[in-house]
Amino acid sequence: DTGVSQNPRHKITKRGQNVTFRCDPISEHNRLYWYRQTLGQGPEFLTYFQNEAQLEKSRLLSDRFSAERPKGSFSTLEIQRTEQGDSAMYLCASGTSGSYEQYFGPGTRLTVT
Amino acid sequence: QKEVEQNSGPLSVPEGAIASLNCTYSDRGSQSFFWYRQYSGKSPELIMSIYSNGDKEDGRFTAQLNKASQYVSLLIRDSQPSDSATYLCAARVSSGGSYIPTFGRGTSLIVHP
Repeated sequence: DTGVSQNPRHKITKRGQNVTFRCDPISEHNRLYWYRQTLGQGPEFLTYFQNEAQLEKSRLLSDRFSAERPKGSFSTLEIQRTEQGDSAMYLCASGTSGSYEQYFGPGTRLTVT
Repeated sequence: QKEVEQNSGPLSVPEGAIASLNCTYSDRGSQSFFWYRQYSGKSPELIMSIYSNGDKEDGRFTAQLNKASQYVSLLIRDSQPSDSATYLCAARVSSGGSYIPTFGRGTSLIVHP
């Protein structure tokens, strides 16, 4: 068990560019969650998957954000037309549907200039 | 918006003392409560989960849940400087027929020698 991995760990992009992040969950976990965290705040829920199905998406989430988990394994989070306000740590977590405990990856830090 | 509230602190305790961290939640229908520890610059790591009223102990940690008062707490006995971190409270909060994970902003704990 190698834990949850995320790539890249850091991303610097210019405003208006698209970015994509990848998350590889713990292999036996069927649930996968995406969060955004800014300094001094707790993680803010973005969306989650059970297997390949996207079961919930935050109502506060802009249409510029989209996530996929095509084969129920790894997931990608894409942000289109990035804005400076998108600068944050993007966290991925995985877990099982039998428990609601979540195990976080190291995160991807996005800086939009 | 249904919230999970924590005092941001910092809470400062001497080494060897009991640290008491508190959390309240606004949604009476919330289920499944969690405590995570987050070191500066790192991602959250799960400490404990609690699902029913009462106390749950794991080593130096005790989680307490009181659903009538909508209150969750975490006690850390024999606090060590290595416990210095931000402690995040989380709950599954009802949202439109489903539940989404919701985090508080965290309480900063400082354990001084």
